[in-house]
Amino acid sequence: DAGVTQSPTHLIKTRGQHVTLRCSPISGHKSVSWYQQVLGQGPQFIFQYYEKEERGRGNFPDRFSARQFPNYSSELNVNALLLGDSALYLCASSSGVEGYQPQHFGDGTRLSIL
Amino acid sequence: RKEVEQDPGPFNVPEGATVAFNCTYSNSASQSFFWYRQDCRKEPKLLMSVYSSGNEDGRFTAQLNRASQYISLLIRDSKLSDSATYLCVVNKLDDYKLSFGAGTTVTVRA
Repeated sequence: DAGVTQSPTHLIKTRGQHVTLRCSPISGHKSVSWYQQVLGQGPQFIFQYYEKEERGRGNFPDRFSARQFPNYSSELNVNALLLGDSALYLCASSSGVEGYQPQHFGDGTRLSIL
Repeated sequence: RKEVEQDPGPFNVPEGATVAFNCTYSNSASQSFFWYRQDCRKEPKLLMSVYSSGNEDGRFTAQLNRASQYISLLIRDSKLSDSATYLCVVNKLDDYKLSFGAGTTVTVRA
């Protein structure tokens, strides 16, 4: 079975542009979470979606938005890109939303802002 | 204060050695605990869940001390392939958000 897949793998943008990152969860998983990982830090929670509804949002500005589709895939959108948005963006899926259920990560999208 | 704190290391150990490190968490409501492993520029991968009674998975042993709010990971008979960053992760039972430490880097040398 395929794991969590993310696209694109790498992306270069300039300040002020917007970006859309995509994620397909493991088959059967209904929960998708997004994390941002800057160099030298652990991943920071951005959003969680379950059954197409936003279940949680981390401490990120409104420039960050996301949605989940009927097939449980998800998109993360970031507007008005800043240099500080350069990071590895990770998508994770799990079968439910309970805390004891491990989350499985995709390979990530490495976003560079010039 | 950060929600999860780890000694960043690096821990440089020879093959076959035992290495152990801790992480502390600040939220006493935390109920689920995990260790993830992350190789350079790769995604985090679940290494093991941590249970209250402590648990072992091959050469890896995890312990949880709720009173002192820390989690430990011990690696026995280290292999070169154990070189990675180990991320301590906690969350609450009904919560959706994983809280990560910044990671502990382990380098195993031949």
